[in-house]
Amino acid sequence: GAGVSQSPSNKVTEKGKDVELRCDPISGHTALYWYRQSLGQGLEFLIYFQGNSAPDKSGLPSDRFSAERTGGSVSTLTIQRTQQEDSAVYLCASSPPSAPEQFFGPGTRLTVL
Amino acid sequence: AQSVTQPDIHITVSEGASLELRCNYSYGATPYLFWYVQSPGQGLQLLLKYFSGDTLVQGIKGFEAEFKRSQSSFNLRKPSVHWSDAAEYFCAVVATTSGTYHYIFGTGTRLKVLA
Repeated sequence: GAGVSQSPSNKVTEKGKDVELRCDPISGHTALYWYRQSLGQGLEFLIYFQGNSAPDKSGLPSDRFSAERTGGSVSTLTIQRTQQEDSAVYLCASSPPSAPEQFFGPGTRLTVL
Repeated sequence: AQSVTQPDIHITVSEGASLELRCNYSYGATPYLFWYVQSPGQGLQLLLKYFSGDTLVQGIKGFEAEFKRSQSSFNLRKPSVHWSDAAEYFCAVVATTSGTYHYIFGTGTRLKVLA
């Protein structure tokens, strides 16, 4: 079946602009995660959605970052007033119910000029 | 606090040689353990996982890993490396809290394969 998809694959924006990154999880997966991967670095947890529960936002680096998940499926990560340090690859992953395995999308490479 | 350590940032091996990538974790209970591989410009692909039972687990692409509780380790191995194995490898531990899963990733090991 279809895997996790993310769009756009690449995004170039100017400092101060807002951006929206989209994630389509695997159908039936109840958990959805966002991570940030800066150049040559590991994965930095951003936010976690599990079913209808309140999201775990503990990894969001500032109030410029927000995310929502509509209808328990598609998720959008929004970065307001982008800064150059926001340049990174943003990865989305989803997990099936009651299972800890994560399936990753290909990522969105964000470049802030 | 839970943590994952991958002591080797870079490893270079010759094609056909054996490979071992190290992973040590810190977790109070028996964790769920994973190895992922990331090729350039790609997302992460699951190589193998350990939940319980047999401590030697087999994964895709000829990889295996062994869980050693006494050493808090979950090292990844492959008997003969192929040039296509050049990539970055991430070890991860999953901590469970009230039925939710939280992933903790190591910083990764970048593998270079010499022809």
